This record gives sequence, C-alpha cells and structure tokens, in this order.
Amino acid sequence: GQQLNQSPQSMFIQEGEDVSMNCTSSSIFNTWLWYKQDPGEGPVLLIALYKAGELTSNGRLTAQFGITRKDSFLNISASIPSDVGIYFCAGQLGAQKLVFGQGTRLTINP
Amino acid sequence: GAGVSQSPSNKVTEKGKDVELRCDPISGHTALYWYRQSLGQGLEFLIYFQGNSAPDKSGLPSDRFSAERTGGSVSTLTIQRTQQEDSAVYLCASSLAPAMNTEAFFGQGTRLTVV
Repeated sequence: GQQLNQSPQSMFIQEGEDVSMNCTSSSIFNTWLWYKQDPGEGPVLLIALYKAGELTSNGRLTAQFGITRKDSFLNISASIPSDVGIYFCAGQLGAQKLVFGQGTRLTINP
Repeated sequence: GAGVSQSPSNKVTEKGKDVELRCDPISGHTALYWYRQSLGQGLEFLIYFQGNSAPDKSGLPSDRFSAERTGGSVSTLTIQRTQQEDSAVYLCASSLAPAMNTEAFFGQGTRLTVV
C-alpha cells in the first residue's frame, strides 16, 4: 500500500527561525494536505494542494505539491511560540483513503 | 453542527469491558475515518467509510475492534473486552466525496483510558 515518509521527525529551533519539513511517497497522490495538531486537540487543516507544482501560502506558511506528485513540503517563516505542535502531511489518490505521514514535532526555544 | 463531533470526550473503563465511541460527521460528508493516536505518536489508521462502498477495515488491530456507520452519517467504533494497550485518543474525521478534491476535518477525539 501507499506509504508516506515525513521528515524530520522532530525539530528544535529558536524563535524567529524558518522551518522546513517534507513528505515523500512511494506512489503518486492527487491531493496533499498539511495539518497541525496542538496538545489535546484534533489535527487542524493548514493547507490543501490539488495540482502538481502548485505553491500555496497561508500567512507565514507555504506549501508545495511536488511536480512528480510524490512529494510535498511545508515551510514556516519567522517562527513564533504558537507554532509549536505536531505537523502531519497527508496524501490521497482518488477515492482511496487518506494516508498520513508520521508527523514532525516542532519545539521552539524562546 | 458545524464540525465533526465526537463523544464522549473522555472515557475511563475497566479492563475487559466493552466501549462504544461515537462520531457525528459534518453534514453531507460521505467519507468518514477513524484513527488511533497513542501519547506522542502519529495517527494510526483504523477504518474508512466512503459512501455505500464496503468499508476499508485494513487498519483494525484485532477482531475486538469493529465500526458501523448507520444511514451514511453517524459512526460508532466499538472495542470489545478492552485491554490496557487500547488506551489512546480515538480521532474521527470526515470529508466530502474524495474524488472531488476535498479536505478531511477532524473531531476533538475521545481519550480512552483502560484501567
């Protein structure tokens, strides 16, 4: 079945630094989604991508749908304390189930 | 309601008892997922319902786990003869028909503790 490899598994950065994380797949997707999960909460959708090569921004967040349809990255610029949490990528092909990455745990030192 | 609703939010049960967890998806969403998340871990896929298709049960960890979706709306995840390793947060998500390029939205989860 499809598998997603998300990296890095964890990040420890200083406030104000930029963050980059990515997901790669063994097969293609036609939808990529990025979620953030705060402690004790369900994951919240940040960005949705639907076209190969698509680059989408949401405030300080930028995500891209890789041209091969097998990868996606998420960048966070000028990190702030509230960016702390677990970030998940997810991919989907047609009506098949969503496949999630293992998550990237972001910790920010003030 | 406007979002995915899960109940109860917390459940403490004794080992060996059965539990039922409920998910009310967003109205009109045909796809529904159940995931399990242990403390500090990722999302473990359990089951996927899509419209009238047979559910994808490939993630259910044992035959003690089962799920139903009645009338294409509300779903119930049942765990029989609970074990301590079943303790986790159980998350539900729903989306419009996936082929329409839509996003999945999560509920707040049910935290299950088996003592």
